[in-house]
Amino acid sequence: DAGVIQSPRHEVTEMGQEVTLRCKPISGHNSLFWYRQTMMRGLELLIYFNNNVPIDDSGMPEDRFSAKMPNASFSTLKIQPSEPRDSAVYFCASSPPATNEKLFFGSGTQLSVL
Amino acid sequence: AQKITQTQPGMFVQEKEAVTLDCTYDTSDPSYGLFWYKQPSSGEMIFLIYQGSYDQQNATEGRYSLNFQKARKSANLVISASQLGDSAMYFCAMREGGYYGQNFVFGPGTRLSVLP
Repeated sequence: DAGVIQSPRHEVTEMGQEVTLRCKPISGHNSLFWYRQTMMRGLELLIYFNNNVPIDDSGMPEDRFSAKMPNASFSTLKIQPSEPRDSAVYFCASSPPATNEKLFFGSGTQLSVL
Repeated sequence: AQKITQTQPGMFVQEKEAVTLDCTYDTSDPSYGLFWYKQPSSGEMIFLIYQGSYDQQNATEGRYSLNFQKARKSANLVISASQLGDSAMYFCAMREGGYYGQNFVFGPGTRLSVLP
């Protein structure tokens, strides 16, 4: 299995632009998580999907952030408009849905908003 | 309130010695999972070890063991015979949240440096 695939690996954009991050979970994993990692705030859980349905989006920082999962093999995290404080590493992770299941992480997207 | 606390921002250990990384957690769910991940400087998240809330024995995986003290809500990671390649950030995490286990939260991490 190819593991969790995220794209792009690096994204540099200017303030105000729309940014779309993409994730392909491991086949058969019906839970998907988006995290943001910064030095100041560590790893923050942004949103969780189960069977393509958003279950908990309480971690999404504000309305500029949105996430979708149109099917079992694809999810997007969109920031519109982007701001410099959104600069971070964004991780996608997938797993089966149970408390004893570990997360499999993608390689992350390093986002820089200038 | 923080669900996962790691009180050691940084730790040093001599190569070949053992080291304990502390983790305490907070939950009211009877069923939960505790995990440790390693993040080397390259950035990937590597799963190390898992402990379930109902497990009677401490988990072990090679040189990693988890010292689980349920009453104290602690889940310390013990690395035996440290190697230079163990230098990395280490995150304690907990998965809870009912049927879906949707709350998978991480602590702030401990940066471990192994000295030659």
